Amino acid sequence: KAGVTQTPRYLIKTRGQQVTLSCSPISGHRSVSWYQQTPGQGLQFLFEYFSETQRNKGNFPGRFSGRQFSNSRSEMNVSTLELGDSALYLCASSLDGQAVYGYTFGSGTRLTVV
Amino acid sequence: LAKTTQPISMDSYEGQEVNITCSHNNIATNDYITWYQQFPSQGPRFIIQGYKTKVTNEVASLFIPADRKSSTLSLPRVSLSDTAVYYCLVSNSGGYQKVTFGIGTKLQVIP
Repeated sequence: KAGVTQTPRYLIKTRGQQVTLSCSPISGHRSVSWYQQTPGQGLQFLFEYFSETQRNKGNFPGRFSGRQFSNSRSEMNVSTLELGDSALYLCASSLDGQAVYGYTFGSGTRLTVV
Repeated sequence: LAKTTQPISMDSYEGQEVNITCSHNNIATNDYITWYQQFPSQGPRFIIQGYKTKVTNEVASLFIPADRKSSTLSLPRVSLSDTAVYYCLVSNSGGYQKVTFGIGTKLQVIP
């Protein structure tokens, strides 16, 4: 079966711009979680969506938002980009969001803010 | 969720067995232990999961003592391609919980 697809793979944006990243989960999976990864910081949880509803949110400013569509595809948006937003953004697909059943990650979107 | 503690980094020579230990003193009765592996610029991938004693698959072994307060991921005869970050997670099937991956253990395999 197809894996988790994240688009685009690479992105360069200017400070102040906004960006939208996309994640298509594995077919049948209803949960999508988003993580930000910067060097030395590990994976920082952004938010999780299940059946089009945000169930949990990490400690990120309101500039970070997301949504999930009826086909479980998810997008995250970052507005008013800052240099510190440069990172690898990863999404994780799972059946119902329960970690015990395993997450499948996409390859990520590498965002560079200049 | 039980908090986990693991070494920040480890070095090993090729061909050696590597053991990475994760502490989870507050593990609950119905918690499972899961390990993920992440290569640079890729998402983490599931490698092994266990509840107690020993689990082995084609990639690794997972040793869990009787008190379950720690677990050890064992990688036999590592190669350069095993250089990665390894994350230990504790979770259960009691419903959705926010999961934090932490910083993980960066394993550097040396030729």
